[in-house]
Amino acid sequence: RKEVEQDPGPFNVPEGATVAFNCTYSNSASQSFFWYRQDCRKEPKLLMSVYSSGNEDGRFTAQLNRASQYISLLIRDSKLSDSATYLCVAVMGTGGFKTIFGAGTRLFVKA
Amino acid sequence: NAGVTQTPKFRVLKTGQSMTLLCAQDMNHEYMYWYRQDPGMGLRLIHYSVGEGTTAKGEVPDGYNVSRLKKQNFLLGLESAAPSQTSVYFCASSFSHTNTEAFFGQGTRLTVV
Repeated sequence: RKEVEQDPGPFNVPEGATVAFNCTYSNSASQSFFWYRQDCRKEPKLLMSVYSSGNEDGRFTAQLNRASQYISLLIRDSKLSDSATYLCVAVMGTGGFKTIFGAGTRLFVKA
Repeated sequence: NAGVTQTPKFRVLKTGQSMTLLCAQDMNHEYMYWYRQDPGMGLRLIHYSVGEGTTAKGEVPDGYNVSRLKKQNFLLGLESAAPSQTSVYFCASSFSHTNTEAFFGQGTRLTVV
């Protein structure tokens, strides 16, 4: 079992749709969580951090559920420019160093 | 605003050849990392460094060596390239390794034939 698992998709949605991605992590010692965005043939870039209390940045909302060990990303009012691969990341912060990336979920937003 | 710069961007090697990938960052970050990205696998950590003169193994270190002689540079070496090392390699740096953003270079596409 992969330590961070995501549905690879692709998710094909029309403009204006709401889409949600989930990500599960296996190591309960993971301390920090992030969503990164990666455009085709480009480097990953931070989209947002994920906090236990949940956080929102414009059309994007991230949630963390430690009890069930999953992270979610909600995108409202999808834009064509949201088309990308979204990477879930879990980081262990104590007793060593380990950052685990999920394989990514591909999103296509169509007009 | 260079950020993280990787060289080269593309390279084709023959099996058994050696090469060095260079990563340079101008943000005064202590932490630097080398990842490889393969289809369906996500990014996997090869080696990392928590400061000048230090290096440590990541998830998939075999076949690679690294050096961090200067704080701003992190070198990844392949001593004897194998086809299994065909991948896209990303360098990244961060202020710390927990709650701060990692900045990535543009990637190096390596093909070993």
